[in-house]
Amino acid sequence: KQEVTQIPAALSVPEGENLVLNCSFTDSAIYNLQWFRQDPGKGLTSLLLIQSSQREQTSGRLNASLDKSSGRSTLYIAASQPGDSATYLCAVRPFSGGYNKLIFGAGTRLAVHP
Amino acid sequence: ETGVTQTPRHLVMGMTNKKSLKCEQHLGHNAMYWYKQSAKKPLELMFVYNFKEQTENNSVPSRFSPECPNSSHLFLHLHTLQPEDSALYLCASSQEFGTGGKVDYGYTFGSGTRLTVV
Repeated sequence: KQEVTQIPAALSVPEGENLVLNCSFTDSAIYNLQWFRQDPGKGLTSLLLIQSSQREQTSGRLNASLDKSSGRSTLYIAASQPGDSATYLCAVRPFSGGYNKLIFGAGTRLAVHP
Repeated sequence: ETGVTQTPRHLVMGMTNKKSLKCEQHLGHNAMYWYKQSAKKPLELMFVYNFKEQTENNSVPSRFSPECPNSSHLFLHLHTLQPEDSALYLCASSQEFGTGGKVDYGYTFGSGTRLTVV
C-alpha cells in the first residue's frame, strides 16, 4: 500500500531563507508526483507536477525534484517571503489501486516571518 | 468562470437535515473527485467519476451520496450526518487519457466547502 510522508510537519523561518521540504513515498511505481499549496481553510493550488520520467520542474522561486528509485521528492523554495506561509502537500499517483487517484502526505505547515 | 467552483463555501447543518454540495468544472476535464479533509489528517479520497461513471467508492458511508449528471457537474448529497462528518470537502477534476493514466496534466482543486454538523 502506497504511503506518503512529509518532513518536517511544521517549519518556521525568517524571511529570505532558502527552504527544502521533503516528501517520501513507499512504492516507486508512480505515474507522477504533484506539489500543492493550501492556505488555511481553502482549497489546494497546484504548484508543480513532475512526471515519472522527469527529474525536476521549476516555476519561479520553486523547484521540485523527483528521485523515483529512492522514493523521494524535494520542494525547494528560494528567498522565502511571508506570502509563502501555507501548508505544502505532496501527492503521488500510483500505478496500483485504481489508475486515477492521488495519495497525499499530511503536509508541511510553513510560516515565514518578517 | 474558470477552474473548479464549489458551492456553498460554508454549510452548517443539523443531523436530521438533507443538503447538497455542488461542484462545477470549466476545464473540459472528464474525471471528477470528492475528497474529505479532516483536522490533522491527510486528504481522503471519497468518490471518483470517469466520463460520468462512478469508478471508485472508497468505503464511504451511505449517508454520503454522489451524483454526476454530466462531465462538468458533480454533487454530494448529504443526509443524517454525524458531527464527525464535519470537515472541508474538496472537489477536483482531471483529464484522463484512456487507461493507465500515462498522460496526465495533474489535478485541479476547488476552494472547498467547510461543513459543520451540529
